[in-house]
Formats: sequence, structure tokens, C-alpha cells
Amino acid sequence: GQQLNQSPQSMFIQEGEDVSMNCTSSSIFNTWLWYKQDPGEGPVLLIALYKAGELTSNGRLTAQFGITRKDSFLNISASIPSDVGIYFCAGQANTGNQFYFGTGTSLTVIP
Amino acid sequence: DAGVIQSPRHEVTEMGQEVTLRCKPISGHDYLFWYRQTMMRGLELLIYFNNNVPIDDSGMPEDRFSAKMPNASFSTLKIQPSEPRDSAVYFCASSTSGGAPVWTQYFGPGTRLLVL
Repeated sequence: GQQLNQSPQSMFIQEGEDVSMNCTSSSIFNTWLWYKQDPGEGPVLLIALYKAGELTSNGRLTAQFGITRKDSFLNISASIPSDVGIYFCAGQANTGNQFYFGTGTSLTVIP
Repeated sequence: DAGVIQSPRHEVTEMGQEVTLRCKPISGHDYLFWYRQTMMRGLELLIYFNNNVPIDDSGMPEDRFSAKMPNASFSTLKIQPSEPRDSAVYFCASSTSGGAPVWTQYFGPGTRLLVL
């Protein structure tokens, strides 16, 4: 199946720092989604992107749909302890409604 | 506003037993997805339905796995017979094609399956 490369795999940062992570695919997507998963819970949708070049914010989170349509980026500004979790990207190709997920970025925020 | 509902939340069973996982999608959603999550393989799509019809089951591991969606508000994922390597968290998610381009998926809380 489709492979999404997500990086970094894990991050350890100090509270208050900004965070950046990205996701790349080998083929074009027409939708990118970013999820956060807390331990013992299902993924929760953070941001959805539908157009190349689109920049969308949700509070301290900002995500961008790459111009090439093969990548997406998520930034978290001024991190806080509750940002801890695993962040997943997901992409949908041009056909069908099947989404492919990245391997996740584990974020640890040190108070 | 109820989200995706899954039951049971936890399941412990012995190898060889039949396991049935249940899902109720968000009302009005016409797509339903079953995923499996493990540390080794991450999130894997097993099967998805559109309007109760299976569209792509290429992710179903083997014949021991089967999924049904008898109506728009209910789906099951069955494993028979179960094996220890089936231990994972199984998620159900739903989405809607209405109001495009809203192709967003909403996940249930998951069922944590342990096969001894």
C-alpha cells in the first residue's frame, strides 16, 4: 500500500518551544489530515487540508498542504504539557476514499 | 453529539476463540472504516464500506477476519479463530461524502484486544 514517511519519529522539547513535523508521500494526495492520539484513546482530528498551498490554523497549531501535493507540515507554537501525544498525518489519493496514515511523531513536552 | 461508538473497549480471549468487535458510526456518515494499530505496524486499514457495501478489503489479513455492515448504523469485525498475533487496538472510523470537500474521518475510542 501507499507509504507515508513522517518525521521526526520522536521529539523531546521544553515547554514553550515551537514544534515542527512533516509528512511526505511518494504520490499525489488531494487531502491531508493531521491527528493527535493520546494514550489509550483513538486519534482525534486536528486539521484538514484540501488544497495545495493551503495554510490552516487551529489555535496554536498550523498545518500546510505542500505545493507539490506530496507533503504536508504541522507546526505547534509555544508548546504546553498537554500537547504530549502521538501526531499522525493521513493522506487521501485522487481516487476513492481510502486514507493512508503516517507512522506517527511522538511528542514529549518537558515542563 | 455522539461520536463513533465501539464495543467492547477491552477484550481478553484465548487463542482459538471467536472475537466480535462492534461499531456504530456517526449518524449520517456513509463511509465506515476498520483499522488495526500495533506498535510494529502502526495504523493499518483493514476494510472500508460505503453505503453498507464493502469497497476495499485488501487490508484484511487473512480469511480468519471478516467484516459486515448490515445497516447504516452498525458494523462488526469478526476474528475466527483468534491468534496471539491478532492482539492490537482495533479502531472504527466514519466519514461522509456529503458537503464535499469534507473528507474527514472521525475515530472511535478503539477496542483493545489481547489474545492469550
